[in-house]
Amino acid sequence: AQSVTQLGSHVSVSEGALVLLRCNYSSSVPPYLFWYVQYPNQGLQLLLKYTSAATLVKGINGFEAEFKKSETSFHLTKPSAHMSDAAEYFCAVSRGNQGGKLIFGQGTELSVKP
Amino acid sequence: ETGVTQSPTHLIKTRGQQVTLRCSSQSGHNTVSWYQQALGQGPQFIFQYYREEENGRGNFPPRFSGLQFPNYSSELNVNALELDDSALYLCASSLEYLETEAFFGQGTRLTVV
Repeated sequence: AQSVTQLGSHVSVSEGALVLLRCNYSSSVPPYLFWYVQYPNQGLQLLLKYTSAATLVKGINGFEAEFKKSETSFHLTKPSAHMSDAAEYFCAVSRGNQGGKLIFGQGTELSVKP
Repeated sequence: ETGVTQSPTHLIKTRGQQVTLRCSSQSGHNTVSWYQQALGQGPQFIFQYYREEENGRGNFPPRFSGLQFPNYSSELNVNALELDDSALYLCASSLEYLETEAFFGQGTRLTVV
């Protein structure tokens, strides 16, 4: 069975500071991994995805994530936080052959202080 | 803009009633997945439709059912509504069921009273 654990339900950073959102996964098969962002009263927007190519994945809005198989992690980072980054972030995993069937973590709310 | 549209955006129903939620997938996408997102939780997979056939189901009871139409739009039906069904229901479409990138709609906020 697959699962995702996001460490920290709420993360607060200052504008310009490093953003680090943690995600660990469990999967018995090579996983596909995703980070989505959700703004208030909105659907989910894909930030980036790992599908067994490069382990360092670059996404939109300056975010990137590194797949570390030995640590079963897929942490999301951004060098410098912007006020507009304040949102809920979800890590998700899917089996490689099951496309849109995603298993999500509980989410991490990111706050950015001026 | 993802191109996935859901209707209605909000609705309120009474316990025991039935509800139908609608999703229009992005042009050319033949796969639709539905998710339930309770307040403060991550989305949970309900089921997926591929070319009008159910193609996988999560841990939801049979009173959650769906349809996909020839134009690939989709419906989610929930019978005998319970208070715990109150949630944001998200629809996601993808080009093929093996496609890894799913595009989400804005969701329908269902409140059961």
